[in-house]
Amino acid sequence: AQRVTQPEKLLSVFKGAPVELKCNYSYSGSPELFWYVQYSRQRLQLLLRHISRESIKGFTADLNKGETSFHLKKPFAQEEDSAMYYCALAYGQNFVFGPGTRLSVLP
Amino acid sequence: DTEVTQTPKHLVMGMTNKKSLKCEQHMGHRAMYWYKQKAKKPPELMFVYSYEKLSINESVPSRFSPECPNSSLLNLHLHALQPEDSALYLCASSFDRAVEKLFFGSGTQLSVL
Repeated sequence: AQRVTQPEKLLSVFKGAPVELKCNYSYSGSPELFWYVQYSRQRLQLLLRHISRESIKGFTADLNKGETSFHLKKPFAQEEDSAMYYCALAYGQNFVFGPGTRLSVLP
Repeated sequence: DTEVTQTPKHLVMGMTNKKSLKCEQHMGHRAMYWYKQKAKKPPELMFVYSYEKLSINESVPSRFSPECPNSSLLNLHLHALQPEDSALYLCASSFDRAVEKLFFGSGTQLSVL
């Protein structure tokens, strides 16, 4: 079955430190992977998608098919990056979210 | 207009009530989705409409009944819900297929008493 896992429920880093949010997937075909973000009291929005390398706010993610991973990275975290981050896998018209990681950027 | 609009924002209903959630988009998207999100959990896919036809039903109980009257509107009719159905119900749309970017509404917070 297609699955997305995010091993960390909560990740805390200090402002200016590098951030890596982990995501692993299981899918037998060619995966279409995304990162979505939900800031406090705001709707879910696309952060980054693998297929187009569209990205906002300085985040990047590299698809590693050998490790079936799609980790999200940012070299210098900002306080406004504090949010809930979901890794997601699209196949056909299904769109499956991982359990999410809450990122807290401390001053 | 690049928004997905959901109404109402909040809904409280009894187990014998009938209510409807509404979702609207005017971006010309041909795929629309209903998701259910419990607190501190990821969204779970319920239904997908593609070109106004139901294409995915993720084994959702019949007390939830989706409807897509036209390409801009998506409804979710609720009847005889249970307290465990209390959740945030999210609508989303995409241009064509799920591989496209999903645009989410802000959701309807539903409480079933």
